Amino acid sequence: AQSVTQLGSHVSVSEGALVLLRCNYSSSVPPYLFWYVQYPNQGLQLLLKYTSAATLVKGINDFEAEFKKSETSFHLTKPSAHMSDAAEYFCAVSGPIKAAGNKLTFGGGTRVLVKP
Amino acid sequence: EPEVTQTPSHQVTQMGQEVILRCVPISNHLYFYWYRQILGQKVEFLVSFYNNEISEKSEIFDDQFSVERPDGSNFTLKIRSTKLEDSAMYFCASSDWDSDTQYFGPGTRLTVL
Repeated sequence: AQSVTQLGSHVSVSEGALVLLRCNYSSSVPPYLFWYVQYPNQGLQLLLKYTSAATLVKGINDFEAEFKKSETSFHLTKPSAHMSDAAEYFCAVSGPIKAAGNKLTFGGGTRVLVKP
Repeated sequence: EPEVTQTPSHQVTQMGQEVILRCVPISNHLYFYWYRQILGQKVEFLVSFYNNEISEKSEIFDDQFSVERPDGSNFTLKIRSTKLEDSAMYFCASSDWDSDTQYFGPGTRLTVL
């Protein structure tokens, strides 16, 4: 079975500092990987996804993530945190067969606090 | 931009009562999903639905749960006899026929008393 582990349930960063959120997955084959963001009292919004094209994936709001097969990781970064980035971030994997209609398996989430 | 909508945003019910959570997926999407998130826990998959059939369901999705697409626009989740442990945020999602990307609604917070 697939699983996703997000290291750190809470991360605190200063405004303007690097944001780094860690995600490791376990899957028998290279999966589809996703990062979603959940702002307070809202649903899940897709930030970016990896689907076996370029290993460095760029998403909305200057977020990017790098797929590293050797490390089974898909860490999310943003060079400079903004106050509006305060939210909960979820890494998810789908598969194992790459196809539409697959369920998503989510990590536990990382809540980001941005300090002024 | 098209979006998934869900009603109600908050539902309070008594234990043992039936509830129906409603979702309107994005209009041209063919795959529909329900997930739930118990407070402080992971988002968990419940069920996926395609071509008027359940395509996959989790262990959580027992006989108390059912899904239906009663017309061309709505997708519903019914819980027949609610339990305290059904209290959670329930998310509906949809995806297109050829896409891996799921679009989520804002959720319905279900509180069972």
